[in-house]
Amino acid sequence: TQLLEQSPQFLSIQEGENLTVYCNSSSVFSSLQWYRQEPGEGPVLLVTVVTGGEVKKLKRLTFQFGDARKDSSLHITAAQTGDTGLYLCAGDRGAGNNRKLIWGLGTSLAVNP
Amino acid sequence: KAGVTQTPRYLIKTRGQQVTLSCSPISGHRSVSWYQQTPGQGLQFLFEYFSETQRNKGNFPGRFSGRQFSNSRSEMNVSTLELGDSALYLCASSLAGTAVDTIYFGEGSWLTVV
Repeated sequence: TQLLEQSPQFLSIQEGENLTVYCNSSSVFSSLQWYRQEPGEGPVLLVTVVTGGEVKKLKRLTFQFGDARKDSSLHITAAQTGDTGLYLCAGDRGAGNNRKLIWGLGTSLAVNP
Repeated sequence: KAGVTQTPRYLIKTRGQQVTLSCSPISGHRSVSWYQQTPGQGLQFLFEYFSETQRNKGNFPGRFSGRQFSNSRSEMNVSTLELGDSALYLCASSLAGTAVDTIYFGEGSWLTVV
């Protein structure tokens, strides 16, 4: 059973388009992280969201944490070919200062020129 | 500063053999975690080491083991390899492995079992 569901699984778009990917769960997380993984490399942290309803912006990327801290979304504006990669979300179910990350399977994004 | 270094990058083993993978964390990082990544299962947590002690463990059989040395370098070992062990094995380091620490991943070791 996958505790974190990411959708869509695959996404292929043209450069300049906007897109949103989702990360959903029935579990509450103390925080949620988004990573991007490029082919042949390990995941790289993009952002951590902690507070329910929190919105964080990183240039053309907007991250939102659901009010109930069970889900999150990543919106990319005017996608570029450099945005291509696997987007992973990871929810922390640890207590206090102990981390216990639960990972989604990822959304594979291809941005075509 | 240098990132997380994993060796070897690629390897092919036959069923029944054993393999050892190595990870050098970022200097100053004392927490090292290992993950198995496959297309069908995604990232699966194997174990975490901190100050040479295994602090957390995932749901993998005993064929998967690891250790950490006094310089924080870590190794993981898989014995009696099975075809299903073919995967990307990722090592991640952080300062202390707490909820506020940023995790840095290595490029991974691609293991193919034939």
